[in-house]
Amino acid sequence: SQQGEEDPQALSIQEGENATMNCSYKTSINNLQWYRQNSGRGLVHLILIRSNEREKHSGRLRVTLDTSKKSSSLLITASRAADTASYFCATDRSGTYKYIFGTGTRLKVLA
Amino acid sequence: NAGVMQNPRHLVRRRGQEARLRCSPMKGHSHVYWYRQLPEEGLKFMVYLQKENIIDESGMPKERFSAEFPKEGPSILRIQQVVRGDSAAYFCASSPGHPSTDTQYFGPGTRLTVL
Repeated sequence: SQQGEEDPQALSIQEGENATMNCSYKTSINNLQWYRQNSGRGLVHLILIRSNEREKHSGRLRVTLDTSKKSSSLLITASRAADTASYFCATDRSGTYKYIFGTGTRLKVLA
Repeated sequence: NAGVMQNPRHLVRRRGQEARLRCSPMKGHSHVYWYRQLPEEGLKFMVYLQKENIIDESGMPKERFSAEFPKEGPSILRIQQVVRGDSAAYFCASSPGHPSTDTQYFGPGTRLTVL
C-alpha cells in the first residue's frame, strides 16, 4: 500500500455531527498536509503539520499527528453540508520533497 | 494575489494529438510541481521544476510526456500522441521555497479527455 492512506474511504454524517478521518503512512516525514477537494474541482489546502508538532487547530478543524504510530487524524467539528468533499492527506518523506497523496476520504454531510 | 492558474480548464483531444497544459504559479513562487489524478484516486507526483530546471521527473512516464518551466512564462506539461489512458485531471502546484518546508498551493486543474 502507498504512503498516505486515508480511512475510512467514505463517511456519511448528519449536519452538526463531528467527522473524523485518519491517515496512515509508512516512512519518516517532514510534514503532513490535509487538503479538501470538492467534486471536479482543485485542491484546497487546509492544514500543514510538521513532524515535531502534535496538534494544530484551524477554525473547526483539528489535526493531530502521532509520529510513533505514523498516523494523523483530521477532525471537523459541527459539520455543515458545505463540508461535503473528498479529504486527502499528503506526506513528504524526510529528505525529499515529493508529496504522496492517499486515495482520500469522501465525506458526505447530510442536511 | 492570484492563486495558481491553469489553462485550459478542460481539454479534449483525439488519440494521437498533442496536449499542452499551462500553469502559472503564484506570484513570488519559483517551484512548480505537476500531479496527475485518475478518477477516484489520489494525486500522483509527476515532476518538480524550478525556473529553467527539471529537478525531479521520476513520476513522469518515460515516453510522450515532457515538462518545462522557462525563465519567462508559464510552466508547460506536454503530452505527445495522447492515448485514452492519458485522460485524467492534471494539477499544478507551486511553493515559494523549498518544498520540504513550504506548503504547496494547487491550481484548479486541467481535465484532459482523450476520445
